[in-house]
Amino acid sequence: DTGVSQDPRHKITKRGQNVTFRCDPISEHNRLYWYRQTLGQGPEFLTYFQNEAQLEKSRLLSDRFSAERPKGSFSTLEIQRTEQGDSAMYLCASSLFRGLANYGYTFGSGTRLTVV
Amino acid sequence: SQQGEEDPQALSIQEGENATMNCSYKTSINNLQWYRQNSGRGLVHLILIRSNEREKHSGRLRVTLDTSKKSSSLLITASRAADTASYFCAPSGQAGTALIFGKGTTLSVSS
Repeated sequence: DTGVSQDPRHKITKRGQNVTFRCDPISEHNRLYWYRQTLGQGPEFLTYFQNEAQLEKSRLLSDRFSAERPKGSFSTLEIQRTEQGDSAMYLCASSLFRGLANYGYTFGSGTRLTVV
Repeated sequence: SQQGEEDPQALSIQEGENATMNCSYKTSINNLQWYRQNSGRGLVHLILIRSNEREKHSGRLRVTLDTSKKSSSLLITASRAADTASYFCAPSGQAGTALIFGKGTTLSVSS
C-alpha cells in the first residue's frame, strides 16, 4: 500500500456543474473520512464510513453533497450543482477503528476544487 | 465529537529554538492526536497519546497530556525550517466518532 490516494488532484469546474472525487484508502483500514478545508481553516468534517456503512454526516452539509463507499473499498464524493462557495480542498482519510478507539488517520493529498 | 482548540494561533521562531503549542478540549477522551500539515498538502499523523499516558516522545517531538486540566502540549525541540507547517490537535472521545479539527497553530521557523 502506498497510502491514501485521491483523484483528481485538481478540478476546475463551472458553477452549476456536478463533480465527483474518488478516494482509495489503505486496504486494511475499515474507516474512511471526508473533510473539506478552506484557506486558513482546519479541516471541516463532512462524513465518514465504517466499511460500507455511512455512519455520520455533518449537519452543516448541503443536500447537494453525497458520498458512497460501495463494497467498503474506495469512496466517491459527489457535489451537484456546484457553487463558488464549494471551492476548497477536499481531503480523504482512512483509519483502523477497533474497540471504540480511533487510531491515527492517514490522509490523502487532497483534491483542490475551484468553481468558476 | 469534540474539537480541540490550539494556542497560539501563530508562532514564529528561529531555527534551533524550541516550539511549544497547546491544545485544550472540553470532555473526556480516549486519546488525543497531533497532526502536521504542510502548505497545500494533507495532514500527517505525528503522535497519539492515550488518556492514561502523561507524556510521549517521538524523535524531536514531546507530547504531554493533563486530563485533569483537559489540555495537551506539543513540544518540538531544535526546530528546523522544515518544521514550518500548521499543527492540529484532535481529541478522540469515548465513543470513537470522527475527529474534529480546530484552526491549528501555524508555526514558522526561519533560518
